[in-house]
Amino acid sequence: GAGVSQSPSNKVTEKGKDVELRCDPISGHTALYWYRQSLGQGLEFLIYFQGNSAPDKSGLPSDRFSAERTGGSVSTLTIQRTQQEDSAVYLCASSLAVAGGSYTDTQYFGPGTRLTVL
Amino acid sequence: QKEVEQNSGPLSVPEGAIASLNCTYSDRGSQSFFWYRQYSGKSPELIMFIYSNGDKEDGRFTAQLNKASQYVSLLIRDSQPSDSATYLCAAERSNDYKLSFGAGTTVTVRA
Repeated sequence: GAGVSQSPSNKVTEKGKDVELRCDPISGHTALYWYRQSLGQGLEFLIYFQGNSAPDKSGLPSDRFSAERTGGSVSTLTIQRTQQEDSAVYLCASSLAVAGGSYTDTQYFGPGTRLTVL
Repeated sequence: QKEVEQNSGPLSVPEGAIASLNCTYSDRGSQSFFWYRQYSGKSPELIMFIYSNGDKEDGRFTAQLNKASQYVSLLIRDSQPSDSATYLCAAERSNDYKLSFGAGTTVTVRA
């Protein structure tokens, strides 16, 4: 079946502009995650959705970053007034997130959006 | 202290040898542990996960978990040039599924 998809694959923008990044999770996956990976660095957690709600926004770097998820499916990460330090690959992942028992939830990643802020 | 620590490498091994990757974690509430492989310019792909103490084998890969020592490892047997990649260790808490990633270990397999 289809995996996690993200668009655009590449985005070049000028400092101060707003950008929107889109993530389409695997069908049936209730949990959705956004991560950021700067060059040569590990993955930095940004935000997590369970359904349409975001129980954990602790990783958002500043109030310029926001995200929403509608219909329990597609999510949009918005960065307002972009800065050069926002340049990174933004990765989205999704998982089934079945609660309870000995189930081990597994996150599957999309191909990422490479954001370059000039 | 980072929640998950890995040796950054690079780790260089000859083809056919065993590559040994190590990872430690600080949160004792972590329940499950994941190894992802990331090729340059690509997104992470899951290799395997482990949640019980001991060894778990999947093909040429073996994950080892020691919760008392808060230590996870990945062994790659009969290393191939196609195994050259960055390997990310991640720890998951059972209450919110959030993954904390290490910075990754870069492995180069020499032909």
